[in-house]
Amino acid sequence: DVKVTQSSRYLVKRTGEKVFLECVQDMDHENMFWYRQDPGLGLRLIYFSYDVKMKEKGDIPEGYSVSREKKERFSLILESASTNQTSMYLCASRVQGAVSNQPQHFGDGTRLSIL
Amino acid sequence: GESVGLHLPTLSVQEGDNSIINCAYSNSASDYFIWYKQESGKGPQFIIDIRSNMDKRQGQRVTVLLNKTVKHLSLQIAATQPGDSAVYFCAENDSGAGSYQLTFGKGTKLSVIP
Repeated sequence: DVKVTQSSRYLVKRTGEKVFLECVQDMDHENMFWYRQDPGLGLRLIYFSYDVKMKEKGDIPEGYSVSREKKERFSLILESASTNQTSMYLCASRVQGAVSNQPQHFGDGTRLSIL
Repeated sequence: GESVGLHLPTLSVQEGDNSIINCAYSNSASDYFIWYKQESGKGPQFIIDIRSNMDKRQGQRVTVLLNKTVKHLSLQIAATQPGDSAVYFCAENDSGAGSYQLTFGKGTKLSVIP
């Protein structure tokens, strides 16, 4: 089974802090994704990475950055946390199918509260 | 966790009955579809997928039906169990657009009555 592990289930930080959310997958997947999930808004893509050292902006990248130094690890960084970044953050990974599309597999999320 | 289920359509089903969860998608070019299940406090869990060259696919107790004419996707769960209680949402992708980004539906909350 695919295992996507997010380092923290719950995190509380203060406004203005730099926040790091870590995600590790153990299936040698090329693609990794960061989403946030908010009531009524569903899942929204923040950033994704097709492979090591690569990154692409998603739909809502403002206020965030990412790092992919190793294939198995994809980090989301809140440069200066603000209260509107309080949310559930979900990481996903996916094998880059050579022929056909493949599903994304998710971690259990980090519930982040910014005070 | 619990907040995922707020403001969502809800389907209540008696244990043992069959459930049908529907999803309308908007992009006629979408050619890949996935159903996810999200239990309280957990991340979305992959259930089943289907490609546009098929109109039906079956898994263990689940069947996905795809109607491209009306851009409609449904998930059928046979003999619904209490453990099926969760939020279910569909996702779509247009492979031809050169991106593997998914577009997610808002979800339906399934409540199983024991």
